[in-house]
Amino acid sequence: AQSVSQHNHHVILSEAASLELGCNYSYGGTVNLFWYVQYPGQHLQLLLKYFSGDPLVKGIKGFEAEFIKSKFSFNLRKPSVQWSDTAEYFCAVTRNSGNTPLVFGKGTRLSVIA
Amino acid sequence: EPEVTQTPSHQVTQMGQEVILRCVPISNHLYFYWYRQILGQKVEFLVSFYNNEISEKSEIFDDQFSVERPDGSNFTLKIRSTKLEDSAMYFCASRIGQGSTGELFFGEGSRLTVL
Repeated sequence: AQSVSQHNHHVILSEAASLELGCNYSYGGTVNLFWYVQYPGQHLQLLLKYFSGDPLVKGIKGFEAEFIKSKFSFNLRKPSVQWSDTAEYFCAVTRNSGNTPLVFGKGTRLSVIA
Repeated sequence: EPEVTQTPSHQVTQMGQEVILRCVPISNHLYFYWYRQILGQKVEFLVSFYNNEISEKSEIFDDQFSVERPDGSNFTLKIRSTKLEDSAMYFCASRIGQGSTGELFFGEGSRLTVL
């Protein structure tokens, strides 16, 4: 079965610091990869997604992620975080075949302090 | 921008009671999902639904759970006899098309508290 690992449970950064959140998945076939964000009290929103092509994917709000197939990784990055980036970040993966459900990681809580 | 809407936003119920959580997916979407998130844990897949039938369900989705699309717009999750461990945030999601390339759009969630 697929699984997604997010190794950082809670990350605390100062404003303007750089961010990298790790995500590894276990499925060996072709996958589609996603990062979702959940701001306090709000629903899950898509930050970015990877299906094929350029492994460096740019998303909204200055976020990007790099798919490294050999490492089964899809780490999320942002060069300079803002206080408004405080949220829970979820990596998710689905097999690239049929109507397969999204499998989520446990999430990483990001707290950005002034 | 079209969005997935869920009601109620929060429901408190007694153990053993039936609960129905309602979702209105985006109107031209064809695939519907329920996920849940127990406090402090990851978002877990419950069930997917297409063409008026369940496509896939997880181990969590036992006989106490059922889904229905009664009128072409609502998509409901029913828990027949709630247990304490059903307390969670339940998210509905929908997707426009076949295959995994369509983005999942999530509702804001329904928080269920079972006492």
